[in-house]
Amino acid sequence: GQQVMQIPQYQHVQEGEDFTTYCNSSTTLSNIQWYKQRPGGHPVFLIQLVKSGEVKKQKRLTFQFGEAKKNSSLHITATQTTDVGTYFCAGRLTGGGNKLTFGTGTQLKVEL
Amino acid sequence: DGGITQSPKYLFRKEGQNVTLSCEQNLNHDAMYWYRQDPGQGLRLIYYSQIVNDFQKGDIAEGYSVSREKKESFPLTVTSAQKNPTAFYLCASSKGRDSYEQYFGPGTRLTVT
Repeated sequence: GQQVMQIPQYQHVQEGEDFTTYCNSSTTLSNIQWYKQRPGGHPVFLIQLVKSGEVKKQKRLTFQFGEAKKNSSLHITATQTTDVGTYFCAGRLTGGGNKLTFGTGTQLKVEL
Repeated sequence: DGGITQSPKYLFRKEGQNVTLSCEQNLNHDAMYWYRQDPGQGLRLIYYSQIVNDFQKGDIAEGYSVSREKKESFPLTVTSAQKNPTAFYLCASSKGRDSYEQYFGPGTRLTVT
């Protein structure tokens, strides 16, 4: 079954509100990547986290990798309509070879 | 103009027919991947290849087949044995093993009736 889960599945926010999606794995991850897929589009790579407890920022986006390397989060400050899309985490499971296991995704809608 | 191309964008087939989806990349990437995406769901790995003439099954390989005769090309055949083939198919590539980001093509939406 699915080994990487994301919550929430959907999130509607008003423009300017913050947004967070959480990614949880049943097994330790060697690294985790985040992708964004716009409606009707294809996933686009955002960032990769490798170290335990790592935090990275990209403008209004903050990415964290948990201390146990089993969970991660993406936080968007002051959402804009351009943030609309589905956000996926994707992890390399320890002992899982070189393939990525994608999370279930969080669909973000931003209303004016 | 470097990238990954998939063709066609939309594909319609009758049940019982095999169909081959094209994926080409000019990024000089060693690894290539095929994913399936169903509405409101994440990406599930069908097959992947880390080097020419070699490929491995992903999580949902049943009913699918691939080949990797050239570095640039990784076609996916959806066979009549695939019980629920209607889906959005995404091809991706990466530099190679170990922790590289994946670049995705625009996808092929397959409808089987």
